[in-house]
Amino acid sequence: DAGVIQSPRHEVTEMGQEVTLRCKPISGHDYLFWYRQTMMRGLELLIYFNNNVPIDDSGMPEDRFSAKMPNASFSTLKIQPSEPRDSAVYFCASSLRSSGLLAYEQYFGPGTRLTVT
Amino acid sequence: SQKIEQNSEALNIQEGKTATLTCNYTNYSPAYLQWYRQDPGRGPVFLLLIRENEKEKRKERLKVTFDTTLKQSLFHITASQPADSATYLCALRNTGGFKTIFGAGTRLFVKA
Repeated sequence: DAGVIQSPRHEVTEMGQEVTLRCKPISGHDYLFWYRQTMMRGLELLIYFNNNVPIDDSGMPEDRFSAKMPNASFSTLKIQPSEPRDSAVYFCASSLRSSGLLAYEQYFGPGTRLTVT
Repeated sequence: SQKIEQNSEALNIQEGKTATLTCNYTNYSPAYLQWYRQDPGRGPVFLLLIRENEKEKRKERLKVTFDTTLKQSLFHITASQPADSATYLCALRNTGGFKTIFGAGTRLFVKA
């Protein structure tokens, strides 16, 4: 398995521009998570989906952030308009809830390093 | 508010020694506590999970303890190797959902 795939790996954009980050979870996984990591705040959960449905988006910082999961193999995180304080590494992770068990492990992608100038 | 504290200072140890990392939490009653490893430029990798009703869990050279009274977990790496050098993250989760809270991590350096 290729693992969780994220694109792009690096993104540099100017303030005010729209940014779209993409994620392909591990095939068969039914949970998908979006995290943001900065030196100041560490790793923060932004939103997670179960079977393509958003379950908890309480970590989404502002209305400028939105996430979608149109199907089981694809999710996007969009920032519009972007601001310098959005600069961070954004991770996507996926997990599988086995029958009768809770999903414990989250498998993380390599991350997208976003720089907003 | 919920808070997880891990040693902010890097831990430097000699190869072959046991590394011990600490995770303390407040205002939280986690059902599960996890440890992840993160290498520079990479995403975290799951290592171990321990439940609230478990005191200790082992996996090869790794050992995790969980004291819900002290609200603390200790993560041990025995016979440490330079390849163990990385940042180790503590993470907490409740039973009600999959929202996981991560600590800031502790950087471990193992010298040959």
